[in-house]
Amino acid sequence: GENVEQHPSTLSVQEGDSAVIKCTYSDSASNYFPWYKQELGKRPQLIIDIRSNVGEKKDQRIAVTLNKTAKHFSLHITETQPEDSAVYFCAAGGTGNQFYFGTGTSLTVIP
Amino acid sequence: ETGVTQSPTHLIKTRGQQVTLRCSSQSGHNTVSWYQQALGQGPQFIFQYYREEENGRGNFPPRFSGLQFPNYSSELNVNALELDDSALYLCASSFGQGRSDYGYTFGSGTRLTVV
Repeated sequence: GENVEQHPSTLSVQEGDSAVIKCTYSDSASNYFPWYKQELGKRPQLIIDIRSNVGEKKDQRIAVTLNKTAKHFSLHITETQPEDSAVYFCAAGGTGNQFYFGTGTSLTVIP
Repeated sequence: ETGVTQSPTHLIKTRGQQVTLRCSSQSGHNTVSWYQQALGQGPQFIFQYYREEENGRGNFPPRFSGLQFPNYSSELNVNALELDDSALYLCASSFGQGRSDYGYTFGSGTRLTVV
């Protein structure tokens, strides 16, 4: 089955700086890559996703890039704010009925 | 807020007992997936229900079972609870004939503690 690895596990940045989280996947058939934000005690919330037919997608301060050849994708958050502090999960799917999640990155934005 | 509701929000059970968790899917969604999220880990797929039938299962033993009802709501049942079953159980609904690329909407989860 698919194997998704996510790095780093923890990330601290100063407010206003950028944050980058990287994930790799193993199954070249995976074609859909969502990113979820999970605040403490709350449900995972979809923040952005990308399909394998595009290389980059942006939504305001958030962007995701995908390199199908290398089988990795990254989340970029610019101009970070304290409310961006949360755990972020990448996932891979699209070939079947489940997502395979990474182990999460705990992002702390220091005011 | 989310459209996917789960109950109860918190639950404490004793090892060996049985538990039933419930999920109401978002309006218009016909597929329900269940995930187990252990502390500090990403969600792990338990199984999915589409049209009231199991439509795929992850690496979980048979004591994890489920149901989907005609209104697309779902139950997750766990028998013979073990301490390692302590986790956040997430339900996600989607509309995609069981596929995983239509974007899930997660519920807020049920926090199960087994003592």
